[in-house]
Amino acid sequence: QKEVEQNSGPLSVPEGAIASLNCTYSDRGSQSFFWYRQYSGKSPELIMFIYSNGDKEDGRFTAQLNKASQYVSLLIRDSQPSDSATYLCAVNIFTGGGNKLTFGTGTQLKVEL
Amino acid sequence: GAVVSQHPSWVICKSGTSVKIECRSLDFQATTMFWYRQFPKQSLMLMATSNEGSKATYEQGVEKDKFLINHASLTLSTLTVTSAHPEDSSFYICSAIKPGTTNIYQETQYFGPGTRLLVL
Repeated sequence: QKEVEQNSGPLSVPEGAIASLNCTYSDRGSQSFFWYRQYSGKSPELIMFIYSNGDKEDGRFTAQLNKASQYVSLLIRDSQPSDSATYLCAVNIFTGGGNKLTFGTGTQLKVEL
Repeated sequence: GAVVSQHPSWVICKSGTSVKIECRSLDFQATTMFWYRQFPKQSLMLMATSNEGSKATYEQGVEKDKFLINHASLTLSTLTVTSAHPEDSSFYICSAIKPGTTNIYQETQYFGPGTRLLVL
C-alpha cells in the first residue's frame, strides 16, 4: 500500500464549478498535511496546509481533514482555467531521520471553458 | 514570503561529467533543506535531507557518493551529481523549511524552481 494515494485523473470540471480532490494516507501517526499545485514543467507551490480535523478555508480553497478515516481533501470553488494543474497531496511524517514530506502521485485537474 | 532559488535552471552535460546545483533561501535562514528528484509523469521522490553544518541524510537507494550534498551555510545547499549518466537526467528540486514555529509538524517546505538536468 502506498503511503499517500491520490487518483491520478485527469479530473475535468467546467469553469466556475467546484473541483474536489482527494487523498488518503496510511500512517496514522501523520500530523500535518499539505496541498501543493504543480504546473507542467514547474516546481510545486504551496496552496495550503492543515493540521486539525475539520475544514480550513483560504480564499477559493478549502482543505478538509479527517484523521479517523485517514483522508484529506481539497475543494476549489469557482474553478478557473488557471487552476488547471497537478495537485500534490503531501503528508508530514516525523521519523528518526527527521521531519519530511511524503508526496502522492498527484491529481491532474483540467478546468474547461 | 519564502523565496527559494536554484541555479542553474537548465543544464546539459556529457556523460561522465559532474554537475553542481545550488539551492538558496533568499529571505530566510534554513537549517534544513531537502533535495528531490522528479521523473516525467511521476511524483517527487525525496533524495536526501540536507542539514546545515552536518552530513546529509540520504533516502534508501540513493547513492551518497554519487549525489554529494553540502550545506555550508544557513542559506545555501549544493547538490553535485558526480559522473553523471543519461539515467540521471531528471528534474531536481530543492526545498527549504522556513522557521518560525516551535511545532515541528507545522514546518512548511517551500520549493525552489527546479533544475532540469539532461545528460547526453
